[in-house]
Amino acid sequence: GIQVEQSPPDLILQEGANSTLRCNFSDSVNNLQWFHQNPWGQLINLFYIPSGTKQNGRLSATTVATERYSLLYISSSQTTDSGVYFCAVVYTGNQFYFGTGTSLTVIP
Amino acid sequence: DVKVTQSSRYLVKRTGEKVFLECVQDMDHENMFWYRQDPGLGLRLIYFSYDVKMKEKGDIPEGYSVSREKKERFSLILESASTNQTSMYLCASSRLAGGTEQFFGPGTRLTVL
Repeated sequence: GIQVEQSPPDLILQEGANSTLRCNFSDSVNNLQWFHQNPWGQLINLFYIPSGTKQNGRLSATTVATERYSLLYISSSQTTDSGVYFCAVVYTGNQFYFGTGTSLTVIP
Repeated sequence: DVKVTQSSRYLVKRTGEKVFLECVQDMDHENMFWYRQDPGLGLRLIYFSYDVKMKEKGDIPEGYSVSREKKERFSLILESASTNQTSMYLCASSRLAGGTEQFFGPGTRLTVL
């Protein structure tokens, strides 16, 4: 099956700092999503981004499908950004394959 | 907004009990999924369904079964719960077309004693 790797695995930031999270995948994909899992376990949709660039407030994402990676940018981080960030891809059928996540801690 | 709900946030059961986890979505999505999430292992797909009464095994179906009698409802069944099924269970739904946006419920933390 497809391999989905996220980096870094852990990240600690001071409030106000910027960060870039990366997702690499080993095969061509039909879809890619970024999620934020909050401390209560809920997975929240951030971006549905099979290709191109999208922005939503302080967050933006870019997927370069031909080079098999996606980036999630967080600017001016806040403590509420803490949690685990997952990317998930679809490369055949309807099944999503998840990366192992980046655990982000934002310190006041 | 898409809403996916799960019957319980926290559940404690005893070894050998039959356990039902219920998931309901309100957006007329064709696809529904059950995942479990464990530390260090990420999210793993247990089963998914692309239509009423249809089901497909995911990566870790052993010890589980599913039921989809109505389009909006997808149930995960642990026929005889075991301690290694203690986990976070997440339900999701999406439209039928391949790879469309997936939406998750709040999760059920199941503990099997």
